[in-house]
Amino acid sequence: EDQVTQSPEALRLQEGESSSLNCSYTVSGLRGLFWYRQDPGKGPEFLFTLYSAGEEKEKERLKATLTKKESFLHITAPKPEDSATYLCAVQAAGDDKIIFGKGTRLHILP
Amino acid sequence: DTEVTQTPKHLVMGMTNKKSLKCEQHMGHRAMYWYKQKAKKPPELMFVYSYEKLSINESVPSRFSPECPNSSLLNLHLHALQPEDSALYLCASSQEGLTPYNSPLHFGNGTRLTVT
Repeated sequence: EDQVTQSPEALRLQEGESSSLNCSYTVSGLRGLFWYRQDPGKGPEFLFTLYSAGEEKEKERLKATLTKKESFLHITAPKPEDSATYLCAVQAAGDDKIIFGKGTRLHILP
Repeated sequence: DTEVTQTPKHLVMGMTNKKSLKCEQHMGHRAMYWYKQKAKKPPELMFVYSYEKLSINESVPSRFSPECPNSSLLNLHLHALQPEDSALYLCASSQEGLTPYNSPLHFGNGTRLTVT
């Protein structure tokens, strides 16, 4: 069965304290792995798509990487406005479904 | 602001009411989705429309009835809901439906539904 597991569930960091969020997945052939950011009461906002192991994508203070079993979302020198829930999702080959992990709630303290 | 627009933003309905949620996108996307999200949980897929045809129904109870009048519009008709159906209902679209190529979902900000 296809699965997506995110860790940690919640993370509190001081402003400027870099860290990484983990997304491990089990799918029968990966078609794509997606990272989203969700603010309270809003819909998820698309951040990155990763297609194959070794791929990396960057956007401002965020960098996403992908291996054959997991993806990391690295956050460098975060600011309070980076506080949000970060969702990882995967799509298996030959499937139209996108499966979401439970997310990591990130809180950056000023 | 997102490019997927959902109305209304909030909805309170009784268990005997009939209401509809609406979703619109003008990005030329050919796949549209309904997700349900409970507090502190990930979005759960309900329905997928690909090229205006229902391609996935995740065993959703018949009190939820989707409709895709055209490639830009998606409705979710609600009837005889239960209090446990209270949730954030999210609409999303993607560039392609059932193709070898993956395309990310673009979400609206949802309708917050409360069933009393």
